[in-house]
Amino acid sequence: DQQVKQNSPSLSVQEGRISILNCDYTNSMFDYFLWYKKYPAEGPTFLISISSIKDKNEDGRFTVFLNKSAKHLSLHIVPSQPGDSAVYFCAASAGSQGNLIFGKGTKLSVKP
Amino acid sequence: GAGVSQSPSNKVTEKGKDVELRCDPISGHTALYWYRQSLGQGLEFLIYFQGNSAPDKSGLPSDRFSAERTGGSVSTLTIQRTQQEDSAVYLCASSSGRWNGYTFGSGTRLTVV
Repeated sequence: DQQVKQNSPSLSVQEGRISILNCDYTNSMFDYFLWYKKYPAEGPTFLISISSIKDKNEDGRFTVFLNKSAKHLSLHIVPSQPGDSAVYFCAASAGSQGNLIFGKGTKLSVKP
Repeated sequence: GAGVSQSPSNKVTEKGKDVELRCDPISGHTALYWYRQSLGQGLEFLIYFQGNSAPDKSGLPSDRFSAERTGGSVSTLTIQRTQQEDSAVYLCASSSGRWNGYTFGSGTRLTVV
């Protein structure tokens, strides 16, 4: 039973446009959410996070939105750049557990 | 070192053999995690060490898998009697606290032939 779901395995966007990556979760105990970016043959790297007391967190071109009632979060990248092409993982944790639960990832391709 | 170091980066082994994968976390990080990523799949949690507490082994897929963390630092993941379905990238991560995220190593690509 997947607790963190990324229903789009891939997304293609034109350079300069907005990329929106979506993530849904089922566990209402999750209170901390993160996005990781992964290039081939490398480990995932931390991108941005949000705690459940917020509904938005922004860092440069990256913004994460959290809708707790819908158990949904999204990552917006504006403007998208070819170097953003990677696999993006959504992850979540609950205060009662120590580990992060990851989604299956969305492969983003930004075309010049 | 500055990051999480994993060795070897690649390992090819014959079915039925045992393998050991090593992780050197960031110095001072009290938490250490093992995940694996099979082809086309997300990151699957395996085991979690936090300080001197008993590890959370709830993600280990079978009793062929075990892990140790010596002296609160280096960790070794051991897979006994490897099977083809064990082929995956094994990722180690460390953290200094829940709100600080994880830092991942580059992983060990294990291929069982």
